[in-house]
Formats: sequence, structure tokens, C-alpha cells
Amino acid sequence: AQSVTQLDSQVPVFEEAPVELRCNYSSSVSVYLFWYVQYPNQGLQLLLKYLSGSTLVKGINGFEAEFNKSQTSFHLRKPSVHISDTAEYFCAVIRMNNNDMRFGAGTRLTVKP
Amino acid sequence: EAQVTQNPRYLITVTGKKLTVTCSQNMNHEYMSWYRQDPGLGLRQIYYSMNVEVTDKGDVPEGYKVSRKEKRNFPLILESPSPNQTSLYFCASSGWDSRMNTEAFFGQGTRLTVV
Repeated sequence: AQSVTQLDSQVPVFEEAPVELRCNYSSSVSVYLFWYVQYPNQGLQLLLKYLSGSTLVKGINGFEAEFNKSQTSFHLRKPSVHISDTAEYFCAVIRMNNNDMRFGAGTRLTVKP
Repeated sequence: EAQVTQNPRYLITVTGKKLTVTCSQNMNHEYMSWYRQDPGLGLRQIYYSMNVEVTDKGDVPEGYKVSRKEKRNFPLILESPSPNQTSLYFCASSGWDSRMNTEAFFGQGTRLTVV
């Protein structure tokens, strides 16, 4: 079985400040890693994913994440946030052997003016 | 266009009245799954299916049934809904493309209220 832990349930930041949303995972098999964003009253949108190759992954809207295998982490970062980044962010893993997907509990990012 | 289609988008029903939420994907994906989203709990997996006629329980299967008679369809059945099943439900499918990429595609969600 695999599990995903998002270490912060809520992250308030001021506009133009940097932000890091933390995600750790555990799994008995190798996994792929994802971040999804959910804007208010909308569905899930893929931000970025790590399948293989460079451990630093760039996604949409200026977000990036770094896969750290030794620490089993996949933290999401943005150097300067905007009001429009206010949303819920979900870290997820897909098991390599069967495509089974599990999510973390989510981090609510609130960007204040 | 690749998509996962859920219906209905909104549903209000009464306790005990059987209902089905449909989910269909057009990407020939083998893997499909259902999740419920509740505040502070994220997306919890209800059931998943690795292929036709292959289904298994996720983390919160109680009160739900699924079937996978065809590859494209994966309906979620609530035989006797209760108020604690009031939630936002998402269907997802995932698979591999020709470049060996994978990601999950999600339906738009079904907001279910059981009174």
C-alpha cells in the first residue's frame, strides 16, 4: 500500500512571497508523483508530474517541484505567488506496477494582498 | 478530445433511495477509480478497477458498489444512500500513452446531497 502525507493543511502567504507546499510519500513499490490544483468550485487540474529523469520538474503557472528519493518527498514551490494561486493543492502518487492512484489530504493555499 | 464524463453533476436524494453515478472515459484506459472529497480529508479512494471485471476496495468502500462490465464505463452505485455519503465525488481514469507517459484524468465531479 502507499500513503501520501501533506504536512500542512493550510498555508497563508502574502502576494509575491515564495511558497513551499510539502509532500512526503511511502510506498512498497516505485511510484510516480503528481501535484494537482483545485480552484474554488472546480475540478482537478494537473500542475506537474514526475515520471523519470531530472528530479526538478517544472509545471504550469510558474510552479516547480523536486523529487527527493532518499527523503521520499516531492515538495511544490513557487518563487512569487499571486492572488490567483489561492486554491487547494493535492499531492498524489501512482504505483508503477498497476496505475493505482492515491492522494494526500490537500493543502489550502491562501494568498493575501 | 480525451475526457472523463460523469453524470449527474448535482444530485439531491433521500435516504434509502438507490442511485447510480455514471462515469465514462474515451481513452481506452485500463485503470479507473472513484474518490470522494470531504473538507480536510482530501480525496479518499472508494473503489478502483484494474480492468474489465476486475474491481477492488479502496480506503472507504462501505455503502458503495461498482461494476466494470465494459472498459469505458465504471458506475458508482449507492444501494441505500445515507446522509454521511453527502460529498463531492470524482471519477478518474489513467493509463499509458505511446510515449510511456501516464497521468490521471478526472471527471468534473458529482455533488451529492442525501437528506
